[in-house]
Amino acid sequence: AQKVTQAQTEISVVEKEDVTLDCVYETRDTTYYLFWYKQPPSGELVFLIRRNSFDEQNEISGRYSWNFQKSTSSFNFTITASQVVDSAVYFCALSTDSWGKFQFGAGTQVVVTP
Amino acid sequence: GAVVSQHPSWVICKSGTSVKIECRSLDFQATTMFWYRQFPKQSLMLMATSNEGSKATYEQGVEKDKFLINHASLTLSTLTVTSAHPEDSSFYICSASPRGGGNTIYFGEGSWLTVV
Repeated sequence: AQKVTQAQTEISVVEKEDVTLDCVYETRDTTYYLFWYKQPPSGELVFLIRRNSFDEQNEISGRYSWNFQKSTSSFNFTITASQVVDSAVYFCALSTDSWGKFQFGAGTQVVVTP
Repeated sequence: GAVVSQHPSWVICKSGTSVKIECRSLDFQATTMFWYRQFPKQSLMLMATSNEGSKATYEQGVEKDKFLINHASLTLSTLTVTSAHPEDSSFYICSASPRGGGNTIYFGEGSWLTVV
């Protein structure tokens, strides 16, 4: 069985602060895919990143960065110099097939105040 | 633009009636689509796997007779909530991947259902 744990329910920061969102996953499959999505109040899911289990290289995209560590089964996400527009719910998700059957974490609400 | 389109975006229906939500892949064919449900302030939970030309596969606890899924073509899957009740009020969202998989997964914009 697969499981994704996002222990942080809500994180509140002041603009320009950094914020790190934790994601811990469980799976017995050796091939799997990890994702992060942003969900603004309107509901749509905004794709942020996909990582496969064989690629542990960390990634940086603008103010976003991801730290993938198989040894601890974690795939953490950091927003640097947060902005009000970053306020949203962020979901970490796990898939063990290539078709998109996801196991989502509970989500973390990020609130960035001016 | 969206490559997976859902319709309607918002729907309000009376208790006891049925409502249909469409999930359409615009630029590709999808033999498999997925339907998720999200209650307010909760996570997205997989409801069912929609398979083109065959019966849908439902997750444990999801009533297949209540949530009818039809995937009659390679670009369209429909979810019909039958005899809707207020507790069915939720955000429904679908996802699809181009035929052959390949790990490019697209989500629809989602549909907000309110049953009054």
